[in-house]
Amino acid sequence: DIVMTQSPDSLAVSLGERATINCKSSQSLLYTSNNKNYLAWYQQKPGQPPKLLISWASTRESGVPDRFSGSGSETDFTLTISSLQAEDVAVYYCQQYFNIITFGQGTRLEIK
Amino acid sequence: EVQLVESGGGLAQPGGSLRLSCAASGFTFSSYSMNWVRQAPGKGLEWVAYINTRGSTIYYADSVKGRFTISRDNAKSSLYLQMNSLRADDTAVYFCAKRYCDTRACYYLDHWGQGTLVTVSS
Repeated sequence: DIVMTQSPDSLAVSLGERATINCKSSQSLLYTSNNKNYLAWYQQKPGQPPKLLISWASTRESGVPDRFSGSGSETDFTLTISSLQAEDVAVYYCQQYFNIITFGQGTRLEIK
Repeated sequence: EVQLVESGGGLAQPGGSLRLSCAASGFTFSSYSMNWVRQAPGKGLEWVAYINTRGSTIYYADSVKGRFTISRDNAKSSLYLQMNSLRADDTAVYFCAKRYCDTRACYYLDHWGQGTLVTVSS
């Protein structure tokens, strides 16, 4: 099974500052035949289901603000929020879909 | 608009059974693989089960293998999860989730239901 490990477990950032969440996979998520990384990021607010933010490690979903960006390849990935807004307070999960599905343990993002 | 509506959650005794349903609309249900994902209170997301479009390929998390059965009825645009031999650690909100698929394969989870709460307690 592919194990996904996020860091940190929680993060407090001031409004307008950058937030960075890391995700490490126990094996490469890069499918060489199409050169795509099978990694997604989700945002979950209290009482709501997860919302897809980013697929293929760096492709932002329609309607997702451009302050959210994803980067990385193979086993190391990053979600960056360039300028934190109050509505970004949530738990963020990475998820691999290279082999079935597994999630990271989540990172709780709060306002400092 | 894609809609996924779960039902069937509630209180069950340890060792008991429940059957969850997920009613799908707004897309061609028979063309997409589906999943169940759960979230214990205050905890993270745990993938539970996967079923392909025709129900011919099924996978389970080790934690539920042999106790849970995923199935689908494409004529009714519905997904199911039969849960037997329930344990306290099965207590969670259960989400059904659609996978984004193209002509070659299915990938990330692009739509989720609101979830249904299952509580296992005596």
